[in-house]
Amino acid sequence: DAGVIQSPRHEVTEMGQEVTLRCKPISGHNSLFWYRQTMMRGLELLIYFNNNVPIDDSGMPEDRFSAKMPNASFSTLKIQPSEPRDSAVYFCASSSQALGAFFGQGTRLTVV
Amino acid sequence: DAKTTQPTSMDCAEGRAANLPCNHSTISGNEYVYWYRQIHSQGPQYIIHGLKNNETNEMASLIITEDRKSSTLILPHATLRDTAVYYCIVRVADGNDYKLSFGAGTTVTVRA
Repeated sequence: DAGVIQSPRHEVTEMGQEVTLRCKPISGHNSLFWYRQTMMRGLELLIYFNNNVPIDDSGMPEDRFSAKMPNASFSTLKIQPSEPRDSAVYFCASSSQALGAFFGQGTRLTVV
Repeated sequence: DAKTTQPTSMDCAEGRAANLPCNHSTISGNEYVYWYRQIHSQGPQYIIHGLKNNETNEMASLIITEDRKSSTLILPHATLRDTAVYYCIVRVADGNDYKLSFGAGTTVTVRA
């Protein structure tokens, strides 16, 4: 298995633009997590899904952020409109129930 | 999730065992102890997890006290590549809630 795949690896965009981050979880995993990491705030859980259903989105910073999981093999995290303070590394992870979660390599987002 | 307490940082000599402590005094009966690490610029990496018995795998050993209020991750022969931030997390393992939240972790520096 190729592991959790995130795209793009790097994204530079202008303030106000829409940004879409993508994640392909490990096949057979039924939980998917989106995290954001910055030096100031560390690794923050934004939202997680179980069996494609959002379970807890309390970490989503504001309405500009949205996440979807249309099927078991794909998820997106969208920021619209983007702001410079959204600059961070965004990680996606997947797990099978209570087993260890496996992380992707992350997307480094820079909003200028 | 129950909260965990870890030292902010620790040093370890290459080739020696590294013992990383974690306190989780409010852990519930249905919560597991998980350990992850994050090497600079990479996604977090799952190391090991356990409920109440000691666990060992190819990466590390996990020792959980009988009252389950604390645990120790042991890297038996630390190498320079083990330099990373190590996270101790408690997480429920049943029902529909597999939330995985990270704290600040312990920055471990392995020195030659």
